[in-house]
Amino acid sequence: GESVGLHLPTLSVQEGDNSIINCAYSNSASDYFIWYKQESGKGPQFIIDIRSNMDKRQGQRVTVLLNKTVKHLSLQIAATQPGDSAVYFCAEPYTGTASKLTFGTGTRLQVTL
Amino acid sequence: NAGVTQTPKFQVLKTGQSMTLQCAQDMNHEYMSWYRQDPGMGLRLIHYSVGAGITDQGEVPNGYNVSRSTTEDFPLRLLSAAPSQTSVYFCASRPRPGFNQPQHFGDGTRLSIL
Repeated sequence: GESVGLHLPTLSVQEGDNSIINCAYSNSASDYFIWYKQESGKGPQFIIDIRSNMDKRQGQRVTVLLNKTVKHLSLQIAATQPGDSAVYFCAEPYTGTASKLTFGTGTRLQVTL
Repeated sequence: NAGVTQTPKFQVLKTGQSMTLQCAQDMNHEYMSWYRQDPGMGLRLIHYSVGAGITDQGEVPNGYNVSRSTTEDFPLRLLSAAPSQTSVYFCASRPRPGFNQPQHFGDGTRLSIL
């Protein structure tokens, strides 16, 4: 079936550096993607989303890039801070309907001082 | 605003016991859903509801029942708990079904079945 996956299970970056978290998707019909952040013991928290008619979207210190040609998403975090340490998920509509979401397994971001 | 509230936060059950995981949202969201989160598996959809009185199955519905009698509440029932149901359960909601919107998650119920 269709799937959403992440390239790296763990990413370690130094405080102040930029972080890039990648995500691949397989459903070429997907038209909406979401990035979530999950801190230990908490539920996923919405970070940013992007629709397929966009290549790039920026938020506060975060940027999501969408490459539909190779079905790839990335989340860039500028000037990474200790509070950014968490697991990051990408998600896409499940089987083409926005009523459901398929989640990747997550990338753990570790920020070192 | 409380958002999505889940109770209890932790629970230990014996095999064969039943229980209900509670979920309530105060945002008047039409769409609510239940996920389970297991190591290396990501979040998997159990059941969802597009409005009061309407529920449907997700990816992994076996062993779970849901009902949606009000907009606010969406309880998840385990009729006869099995060790395979040991997991972290998340409830989520969003304003409307069928539109590209992010979901709001509760902080989860950590369930252990012995």
